[in-house]
Amino acid sequence: QQQVRQSPQSLTVWEGETAILNCSYEDSTFDYFPWYWQFPRESPALLIAIRPVSNKKEDGRFTIFFNKREKKLSLHITDSQPGDSATYFCAASRSAGNKLTFGIGTRVLVRP
Amino acid sequence: GPKVLQIPSHQIIDMGQMVTLNCDPVSNHLYFYWYKQILGQQMEFLVNFYNGKVMEKSKLFKDQFSVERPDGSYFTLKIQPTALEDSAVYFCASSLGQHSGNTLYFGEGSRLIVV
Repeated sequence: QQQVRQSPQSLTVWEGETAILNCSYEDSTFDYFPWYWQFPRESPALLIAIRPVSNKKEDGRFTIFFNKREKKLSLHITDSQPGDSATYFCAASRSAGNKLTFGIGTRVLVRP
Repeated sequence: GPKVLQIPSHQIIDMGQMVTLNCDPVSNHLYFYWYKQILGQQMEFLVNFYNGKVMEKSKLFKDQFSVERPDGSYFTLKIQPTALEDSAVYFCASSLGQHSGNTLYFGEGSRLIVV
């Protein structure tokens, strides 16, 4: 039983388009949602994160939209660049600990 | 940014043998983690470690697994004996604090193939 689900598994967009990555979770006690990205042959790294007190978190071209009632969130990458090509992992944890539960990831390819 | 180093990057080992995966965490970090990723699946939490002790472990952390960090050296994951199902990429991570919001910094992973 996957506690954090991601879709699609892979996504191809043209440079300049907006990529939308979806994530949903089961456990309502999760209260911290980081997104990690991973480039080939590199380590996963924190990209952006949100807590349920907010329904939106923006950092440059990356925006998380959060719907607590539906237990869904999405990552929008606006004006996608070829350098954004990576695998994006949605994760969740509870504030009392730092154990991350990861989704399976979405592989994003941005074509020039 | 802060780096977590993992050694080896990959290893092939015969089933039943022992393997030790080494992790050099970020220098001032206090909390250490191992995650396991089987090909095509998500990264899954194995164990976290603080002040010389295992704080929490998952069902994936079998009796054949052990972790330690003797005298501030490498944080290690030892598997003895190895089984075919242990084939995976093992990611080490470290963080400064315990609570969520403390960023986990990951290494590049150690790819283990058990034959």
